[in-house]
Amino acid sequence: GENVEQHPSTLSVQEGDSAVIKCTYSDSASNYFPWYKQELGKGPQLIIDIRSNVGEKKDQRIAVTLNKTAKHFSLHITETQPEDSAVYFCASAGEGFQKLVFGTGTRLLVSP
Amino acid sequence: KAGVTQTPRYLIKTRGQQVTLSCSPISGHRSVSWYQQTPGQGLQFLFEYFSETQRNKGNFPGRFSGRQFSNSRSEMNVSTLELGDSALYLCASSLGVYQETQYFGPGTRLLVL
Repeated sequence: GENVEQHPSTLSVQEGDSAVIKCTYSDSASNYFPWYKQELGKGPQLIIDIRSNVGEKKDQRIAVTLNKTAKHFSLHITETQPEDSAVYFCASAGEGFQKLVFGTGTRLLVSP
Repeated sequence: KAGVTQTPRYLIKTRGQQVTLSCSPISGHRSVSWYQQTPGQGLQFLFEYFSETQRNKGNFPGRFSGRQFSNSRSEMNVSTLELGDSALYLCASSLGVYQETQYFGPGTRLLVL
């Protein structure tokens, strides 16, 4: 079945450093890739998404890259801040469906 | 605009009971999806509704069911609760059904004793 692998499971960085989280998907029909941030006690919040006709997308300190050939996509956060500390999930979806297949999550800790 | 709302936020039930969870999507959104989040299995898709019709269903037993009303509000029901049903149940809404951005609610935390 469809599967999304996410690495690393935990990531600790110093404030101001960059953080990179990587995901690999299995379904070649997937063409929508959102990233969610989940803080304690809250639901996932969309931070950025990318569609398969785009290789890279940037929004201020956050960027996502997609390599469809390798079935890889990555989240890049620059100039990390303590408020970036949370669990980040990647996900994928195929054409015509709203079913998101999620990665296992990355716990990001940004130390002041 | 108000976000996705879910009620109740917390629930404690005992094995064998049934439970109904409610989700009100963002105004104007017509698609509602449900997910189960547990420490062991992560975030897993339960089902998706659009215009009162179930469009897709995840790999969960028939004890899990749902429905959507004409105002796009949705409910999910779990019958004959098992200990393993303890989880955070998340509802997400989107405008339509073709890879539209999904916005999640805060979830309902269900504890089965």
